[in-house]
Amino acid sequence: GQQLNQSPQSMFIQEGEDVSMNCTSSSIFNTWLWYKQDPGEGPVLLIALYKAGELTSNGRLTAQFGITRKDSFLNISASIPSDVGIYFCAGRETSGSRLTFGEGTQLTVNP
Amino acid sequence: DVKVTQSSRYLVKRTGEKVFLECVQDMDHENMFWYRQDPGLGLRLIYFSYDVKMKEKGDIPEGYSVSREKKERFSLILESASTNQTSMYLCASKPTATLYGYTFGSGTRLTVV
Repeated sequence: GQQLNQSPQSMFIQEGEDVSMNCTSSSIFNTWLWYKQDPGEGPVLLIALYKAGELTSNGRLTAQFGITRKDSFLNISASIPSDVGIYFCAGRETSGSRLTFGEGTQLTVNP
Repeated sequence: DVKVTQSSRYLVKRTGEKVFLECVQDMDHENMFWYRQDPGLGLRLIYFSYDVKMKEKGDIPEGYSVSREKKERFSLILESASTNQTSMYLCASKPTATLYGYTFGSGTRLTVV
């Protein structure tokens, strides 16, 4: 199955720093989703994007649906220790309802 | 809130055993999914089901089977467990309306020794 290219694979940052991660695909998607997985838990939906160019915020998180419909990025501003976890992008192609997931970005925040 | 419950958080099984992983959701979702999660590989789809008694292979179905006898329950079966099936297994569900993302369970960490 198709994989999304998610980068970076891991990030080690200091508390208070901003974070940016992104996903790219060779296919066009009509939906982009961003999930966070806390240690020992399942992924939880953070932000959903449904239109090319859409910019959506959820607290300190901002995500954008790329205008080419082949990419998306997630920004976290002023990181805090509880932002630690794995962040996954996921995309859905126009033809069906299955999601394709990126490999994940492991975020570590040092106090 | 939608709740997806996986029956075990941790399992240790022996090579060759038949293993059942159970998943139950309480929001009448039509679609249910089984993924495995391995470091550096993200989430890989094993099987999914869009209705009772219906099942479709995902990207890595080899060595697995599934059962969906009731809408709320989706079981993953390892016919003969092997050490390369040691992994985190995640169940998810979603309604058919495509605007909604998946709701995941907390995962089952399976170790095959």
